[in-house]
Amino acid sequence: GAGVSQSPSNKVTEKGKDVELRCDPISGHTALYWYRQRLGQGLEFLIYFQGNSAPDKSGLPSDRFSAERTGESVSTLTIQRTQQEDSAVYLCASSLVRAAYNEQFFGPGTRLTVL
Amino acid sequence: AQKITQTQPGMFVQEKEAVTLDCTYDTSDQSYGLFWYKQPSSGEMIFLIYQGSYDEQNATEGRYSLNFQKARKSANLVISASQLGDSAMYFCAMREPQTASNQFYFGTGTSLTVIP
Repeated sequence: GAGVSQSPSNKVTEKGKDVELRCDPISGHTALYWYRQRLGQGLEFLIYFQGNSAPDKSGLPSDRFSAERTGESVSTLTIQRTQQEDSAVYLCASSLVRAAYNEQFFGPGTRLTVL
Repeated sequence: AQKITQTQPGMFVQEKEAVTLDCTYDTSDQSYGLFWYKQPSSGEMIFLIYQGSYDEQNATEGRYSLNFQKARKSANLVISASQLGDSAMYFCAMREPQTASNQFYFGTGTSLTVIP
């Protein structure tokens, strides 16, 4: 079976433009997470989706960031009016439902560079 | 308070030696899971090992073992017989399935360098 996939793998954009990042979770995984990882830093939680429940958006750094997920499928993370500080790798992960032992499976990430 | 604390930003180990990467966690839940991930320079996150809060035995996966001390709330990763390919960032993480958010909490990571 396929793992978590993300597209694009690399994105270079100009300051002020909007970008959309896509994540395809593992089939059957109801939980989906977005993280941001700046160069040399740890993972910064952004948003979490669990099935059809309301997402946990507590990690989104500003209202320029938003994410959607339809059911248990693809998710898109949108960054509006990008800033240079948005440059980072954006990682998506999926997991089976609520159980302590269900690890996250990560995608390869999207490297975003804002010029 | 930090949910996961990794106090070693960088570690060095001689090839073939063992190394311990520290991790302490903070939770009031009885049921939780602890994970270690490896992130090589390529950027992928690789799951290494899992320890459940109710597991009485320390988890082991090949050269990886988790030194779980529940009373101290520590979950140190031990890598035995280090190899050059072990050079990477290592992240400790915790999951609290009983909480509404069901988030994973990650530490800031430890950069391990294996010296030939």
